[in-house]
Amino acid sequence: DAGITQSPRHKVTETGTPVTLRCHQTENHRYMYWYRQDPGHGLRLIHYSYGVKDTDKGEVSDGYSVSRSKTEDFLLTLESATSSQTSVYFCAISDQGTGTDTQYFGPGTRLTVL
Amino acid sequence: AQKVTQAQTEISVVEKEDVTLDCVYETRDTTYYLFWYKQPPSGELVFLIRRNSFDEQNEISGRYSWNFQKSTSSFNFTITASQVVDSAVYFCALFVYNQGGKLIFGQGTELSVKP
Repeated sequence: DAGITQSPRHKVTETGTPVTLRCHQTENHRYMYWYRQDPGHGLRLIHYSYGVKDTDKGEVSDGYSVSRSKTEDFLLTLESATSSQTSVYFCAISDQGTGTDTQYFGPGTRLTVL
Repeated sequence: AQKVTQAQTEISVVEKEDVTLDCVYETRDTTYYLFWYKQPPSGELVFLIRRNSFDEQNEISGRYSWNFQKSTSSFNFTITASQVVDSAVYFCALFVYNQGGKLIFGQGTELSVKP
């Protein structure tokens, strides 16, 4: 199994508060991704990173920011959480440099915004 | 536009039945990859298979088999002699190389295998 951890695994917060989710990998993979999973939508890409300090937006990036200061860590921040951001968040990693292109997923973080 | 459609939202079968999960994709790229992931009730996403756009050979892995047909843009997944442990949500996904490479997921098919 790919070495990916996410923290916290569960979080309940209130509308308007900032929230940071962490993804940590031990595989030294170049690419990291944040997805959200909602009923009826499958998984949708929020942001991704193709290297340290190199990030870009996915299809549902509004209200989210990311940072990657080290290869192993990719942070997702909700600057001011809203109820529409209640979701399950998955981090994924991929080592596209070797051409594998398979994305391996972390265990997920369940976020509830009240 | 790039899109993945899993028309079957829910499927229910009795143990030992064969079941096929449908996946239809849309892309204009000539190089792409197709994936299937399994999400059991515990919630994690488990990688099952990756297929590139130049390899149309069908693949079999134990009770699982995959049928890739570029002519119909389909990548269907069959479970033979289903078991209760196969109960899960199954996602088909399309990997495209633009914008740094991203996975586009279908909405998932929830498979329930009853004893």
